[in-house]
Amino acid sequence: EDQVTQSPEALRLQEGESSSLNCSYTVSGLRGLFWYRQDPGKGPEFLFTLYSAGEEKEKERLKATLTKKESFLHITAPKPEDSATYLCAVGGGRRALTFGSGTRLQVQP
Amino acid sequence: GAGVSQSPSNKVTEKGKDVELRCDPISGHTALYWYRQSLGQGLEFLIYFQGNSAPDKSGLPSDRFSAERTGGSVSTLTIQRTQQEDSAVYLCASSLGGGSQETQYFGPGTRLLVL
Repeated sequence: EDQVTQSPEALRLQEGESSSLNCSYTVSGLRGLFWYRQDPGKGPEFLFTLYSAGEEKEKERLKATLTKKESFLHITAPKPEDSATYLCAVGGGRRALTFGSGTRLQVQP
Repeated sequence: GAGVSQSPSNKVTEKGKDVELRCDPISGHTALYWYRQSLGQGLEFLIYFQGNSAPDKSGLPSDRFSAERTGGSVSTLTIQRTQQEDSAVYLCASSLGGGSQETQYFGPGTRLLVL
């Protein structure tokens, strides 16, 4: 059974204080690892897809990396508008994605 | 359309009543998914449609839940005889193809409250 564990559950940062979110996974045959951002009262918004170990993708202040066991979402010099819940999901043997419970990020000015 | 749309945005119903939730996927996307997100929980897979193939219903929690997809586009999720534990956000997603390597794009969700 595919499993995804995200840590920490919640993270509070000061504006400009860089940090990383962790996503550990077990999956039978990784087809893709996905990062989403979810704002309160809204649906998940797609950020990145990673397909193989060693792959990295960047978008503004966010950078996602992938190893054979985990993925990191690095946030560089965050701003208050980066506050959201970040979700990690894996695509494996079944069609649907398996999601972690998310990391709630709060960036204070 | 520009993105996945869902209606209604919010639904309040009484225990025992039936509800219908609607999803309009991105035009041209062949795969459609329904997930449920309960407070503080991760997304839970419910059902998957791909083209004209038989749907994958393996995630439906009980026989009170059913879904259909008409004409390969719009989908309706029906919950019969609603219970309080059905209260959650119901999210619909679509992807261009049906493989698990495909990026799924989500709608805004329907917030269901069963009193």
